[in-house]
Amino acid sequence: DGGITQSPKYLFRKEGQNVTLSCEQNLNHDAMYWYRQDPGQGLRLIYYSQIVNDFQKGDIAEGYSVSREKKESFPLTVTSAQKNPTAFYLCASSIPLGQANTEAFFGQGTRLTVV
Amino acid sequence: GEDVEQSLFLSVREGDSSVINCTYTDSSSTYLYWYKQEPGAGLQLLTYIFSNMDMKQDQRLTVLLNKKDKHLSLRIADTQTGDSAIYFCAERVAGRRALTFGSGTRLQVQP
Repeated sequence: DGGITQSPKYLFRKEGQNVTLSCEQNLNHDAMYWYRQDPGQGLRLIYYSQIVNDFQKGDIAEGYSVSREKKESFPLTVTSAQKNPTAFYLCASSIPLGQANTEAFFGQGTRLTVV
Repeated sequence: GEDVEQSLFLSVREGDSSVINCTYTDSSSTYLYWYKQEPGAGLQLLTYIFSNMDMKQDQRLTVLLNKKDKHLSLRIADTQTGDSAIYFCAERVAGRRALTFGSGTRLQVQP
């Protein structure tokens, strides 16, 4: 079945470590997104990519990095520069927003906790 | 500016109707969406409305859009305990590369 897969579901990180969250989609979507969710704050955009080998910073990109080497994959690295990384991270994909109505499909999320 | 606002919490009794409200500030919104999030899960699209419409109905769901007041609502008829979740409204604005989400409304359905 087509969809978006995020892994792992739960991730624990020690302070000072970098960690990478995986996001894979088989929907043949060009656009992919990473959002961060904190209680009562909704979803905030970290990075997005409209096409392979291209990505742009969102509203809260500091302390994060991404790559888009393949259409299917958009991994997010949470670096040690991110001072408050504990959150629920959601990956999404869509056809590019310039094309008619565009529904964003979401993965099941990764909960990252700093220990 | 880009701001989408929702009330944080709504409690209803099973069988009643629920109305979740959302306001947005950008008048160039083209599509507006309602997503549902169950605990520990991702977001699932419930419905959407194009900005030149004022109402859309889909089974138990009714979306109302007041473009003049920049107000969007989601009505759930005959609310069930399985409807308990967080509901997000989101807007798509021309020229912007990603959807903008509200903070979510937690719907609690009491038996």
